[in-house]
Amino acid sequence: SQTIHQWPATLVQPVGSPLSLECTVEGTSNPNLYWYRQAAGRGLQLLFYSVGIGQISSEVPQNLSASRPQDRQFILSSKKLLLSDSGFYLCAWSVPLEQFFGPGTRLTVL
Amino acid sequence: DAKTTQPTSMDCAEGRAANLPCNHSTISGNEYVYWYRQIHSQGPQYIIHGLKNNETNEMASLIITEDRKSSTLILPHATLRDTAVYYCIVRVGDKIIFGKGTRLHILP
Repeated sequence: SQTIHQWPATLVQPVGSPLSLECTVEGTSNPNLYWYRQAAGRGLQLLFYSVGIGQISSEVPQNLSASRPQDRQFILSSKKLLLSDSGFYLCAWSVPLEQFFGPGTRLTVL
Repeated sequence: DAKTTQPTSMDCAEGRAANLPCNHSTISGNEYVYWYRQIHSQGPQYIIHGLKNNETNEMASLIITEDRKSSTLILPHATLRDTAVYYCIVRVGDKIIFGKGTRLHILP
C-alpha cells in the first residue's frame, strides 16, 4: 500500500534560520508530488508541485524553494525563515484520479 | 484560483443526512470533481471523486448534475466525527488547488 512520510512532525525555528522539510513516498512510482501550507485558521495553499525528478513548479513567489532529488522524495527549503512562514506544511502525492496527504509538519517561527 | 465555490459553513443534526453543495460552473469535460475533508489539525482525507455519473462509496455519495456545473456530497447519517472542513476540488491537470471549503458542524 502507499505510504507518505513527513518529518519532523513539529518544528520551532527562529526568524532568519534555514529550513528543510522532507517528504518521502512508498508504494508508488512516478507520482506527482505537492507541498501545501495552511496558516492558522486558513485554507490550504498550494506552494509547489512536481511531475518528475528535478521538475518543480512554483505557485506562490516567496522565500521558499523545493527540490525533488529522487522519484519519491520531495524537499521544502528556505535559507531564511520569516514569521509569516509559520503554518502547517503538508506533502501530498497523486497519480491519476487519486491524491493522498502526509501527516504534516507544524512549523512555528519565533 | 480554485474553480469551485462552496458555502462557508453548514449545520446538520446528528443522524440526519448532510448535503454539501459545490458549484463548478467552469468545469471542462475531462475534469473530475473531488471531495476531501480535513478534521482539525490533520491532513486532508480523500472522500470520493466523480466525472459524470453519481458515485457512492462507504463514506459518502456524490451527485453530479447533468450539466456538471454543480455537485452535492451526501453523508447519509452524519455523526459528530463528521465535523470537519469539506473541500470540493476540480482537478486542473497536474495542479490540485483547494478553495476555502465548507465548515460542517454536526449538532448533537
